[in-house]
Amino acid sequence: GENVEQHPSTLSVQEGDSAVIKCTYSDSASNYFPWYKQELGKGPQLIIDIRSNVGEKKDQRIAVTLNKTAKHFSLHITETQPEDSAVYFCAASRVNRDDKIIFGKGTRLHILP
Amino acid sequence: DGGITQSPKYLFRKEGQNVTLSCEQNLNHDAMYWYRQDPGQGLRLIYYSQIVNDFQKGDIAEGYSVSREKKESFPLTVTSAQKNPTAFYLCASSIWGRDHYEQYFGPGTRLTVT
Repeated sequence: GENVEQHPSTLSVQEGDSAVIKCTYSDSASNYFPWYKQELGKGPQLIIDIRSNVGEKKDQRIAVTLNKTAKHFSLHITETQPEDSAVYFCAASRVNRDDKIIFGKGTRLHILP
Repeated sequence: DGGITQSPKYLFRKEGQNVTLSCEQNLNHDAMYWYRQDPGQGLRLIYYSQIVNDFQKGDIAEGYSVSREKKESFPLTVTSAQKNPTAFYLCASSIWGRDHYEQYFGPGTRLTVT
């Protein structure tokens, strides 16, 4: 079945440095790739997404890149801050009514003071 | 205030008892989902429903049951047949637009079975 691999499972970054989380997907028909942030004890929240007709998307300090050929997409957080500490999930889906979102297993990001 | 509510936040049950987790949304979303989250396992889909009175099994449906009698509500019952019920349970709903798709998550219910 469809699968999304996410790496690393844990990432520690000095405050102010950049963090990168990488994902690969198996279903070549996937065309929608969201990223979710989950803070402790809360539900995940969408922070950015990208569609297969776009190679890169930015929103302030976060950006996502997509390489359709390699079936690879990444989340980049620049100038990290303490509030960026959380678990991040990547996901892949086809944008239609019948398909589910397939999630990666998550990356726990620690921002070190 | 629109969103998804799950209650209670913490739930404790004795082994062998069925327990029902509540999920309500006022976003007018057609589709609703239940996920289970365990440490290091990410989000695993239990059941989902795209319209009222219809639902489909996800990847780990054994030991769970759902109903979708109203668009706003999608309760999950954890039965005594579920071998490892202790987990964090997340409900979500979603909406499709012309080229827009987003899943919104509730705050979750942490179930502990002893």
